[in-house]
Amino acid sequence: EAQVTQNPRYLITVTGKKLTVTCSQNMNHEYMSWYRQDPGLGLRQIYYSMNVEVTDKGDVPEGYKVSRKEKRNFPLILESPSPNQTSLYFCASSLFGGGAADTQYFGPGTRLTVL
Amino acid sequence: SQQGEEDPQALSIQEGENATMNCSYKTSINNLQWYRQNSGRGLVHLILIRSNEREKHSGRLRVTLDTSKKSSSLLITASRAADTASYFCATDATGTASKLTFGTGTRLQVTL
Repeated sequence: EAQVTQNPRYLITVTGKKLTVTCSQNMNHEYMSWYRQDPGLGLRQIYYSMNVEVTDKGDVPEGYKVSRKEKRNFPLILESPSPNQTSLYFCASSLFGGGAADTQYFGPGTRLTVL
Repeated sequence: SQQGEEDPQALSIQEGENATMNCSYKTSINNLQWYRQNSGRGLVHLILIRSNEREKHSGRLRVTLDTSKKSSSLLITASRAADTASYFCATDATGTASKLTFGTGTRLQVTL
């Protein structure tokens, strides 16, 4: 089944404890991205990747890191999480690019709480 | 700032009625998409309309685009309880083909 998977789905952590949220897609998509969703703010893009070893900042990259060593994986790293990073996070992928000409396939989401 | 803003923020209708949601955006776009999100779940793509198109249909969905007014509408006809979800428009502004910007969404509640 074609899908985007994220792990973990739920995570409660404490301020400053490094964490990684994994994202993997099995559709051989070139483009992958991370969003965070907060009430009243909709989805905001954190980072995106056009291809392996190519990543770029989205609208809200502060406090996050990403890497794209393999085409299928795009982990999101929080080196020192803070409470303002408490949010619902989505990974997405698309065949060619991040624009509206290409369908984005979303993962199920990771609900992160930073205490 | 957000490219797309949906209106209304919340909409409650009865099953069988039509639901109309609107999206306004600020700059010229290449394309516009609508997505659906069930509570706390990932977004699912519904329909894409290109900037040179004015209307598109997919099943019970009808999307219109008015580039002169920088607005789009999503009509769901004969709504069902299973249509209860949040609906988002997403655009890519001209010159930013790699960047998709989402609106804040309309929360639709369809009651029996």
